[in-house]
Amino acid sequence: NAGVTQTPKFRVLKTGQSMTLLCAQDMNHEYMYWYRQDPGMGLRLIHYSVGEGTTAKGEVPDGYNVSRLKKQNFLLGLESAAPSQTSVYFCASSYPPGQRNYGYTFGSGTRLTVV
Amino acid sequence: QQQVKQSPQSLIVQKGGIPIINCAYENTAFDYFPWYQQFPGKGPALLIAIRPDVSEKKEGRFTISFNKSAKQFSLHIMDSQPGDSATYFCAAISTGTASKLTFGTGTRLQVTL
Repeated sequence: NAGVTQTPKFRVLKTGQSMTLLCAQDMNHEYMYWYRQDPGMGLRLIHYSVGEGTTAKGEVPDGYNVSRLKKQNFLLGLESAAPSQTSVYFCASSYPPGQRNYGYTFGSGTRLTVV
Repeated sequence: QQQVKQSPQSLIVQKGGIPIINCAYENTAFDYFPWYQQFPGKGPALLIAIRPDVSEKKEGRFTISFNKSAKQFSLHIMDSQPGDSATYFCAAISTGTASKLTFGTGTRLQVTL
């Protein structure tokens, strides 16, 4: 019973490089989310998806792209990494709000450093 | 505009004390209020949640108090232990209209011996 799995767990990128963070969930959740967490800034939503094939912008979407080609996977892409994107990235998934068992399940995070 | 204001930013209590973390909201359409607990190096995990039809909910040593008229809710940790040291996030959502939780900025709790 894996829950939400994020890969990789750690990564160091050079400025301008690209990479993709993978989030996979095995709970048949409709909704998936990408957050970044920086010291003193709490959790900031980057992008989210309410179903396979759909994506929407959160509060800090610039510099990121996402795709939800399969219900169980949500990919976060950085096309040209910048030092400001150094952060810990968390993926989460949930049933739709209003369902009895609604609540986010978070992954364990990806620590990304851009040098 | 921040819709859920959380305080304090950090909190230190001695073992056995009762830390209280407060959250205030403005959107009267919010109808579900969860708290998440995050240990260092881990993702947040759902701790306890409340709906506005009750004023209090207890799960073990954790209690949510909810004041609908004041638009405030708080987390109390009874008989706190060093193992409770973590960051706590409150959140809120209008389950009928919104797609995502609105989080508070977090409270870093340290419980000392």
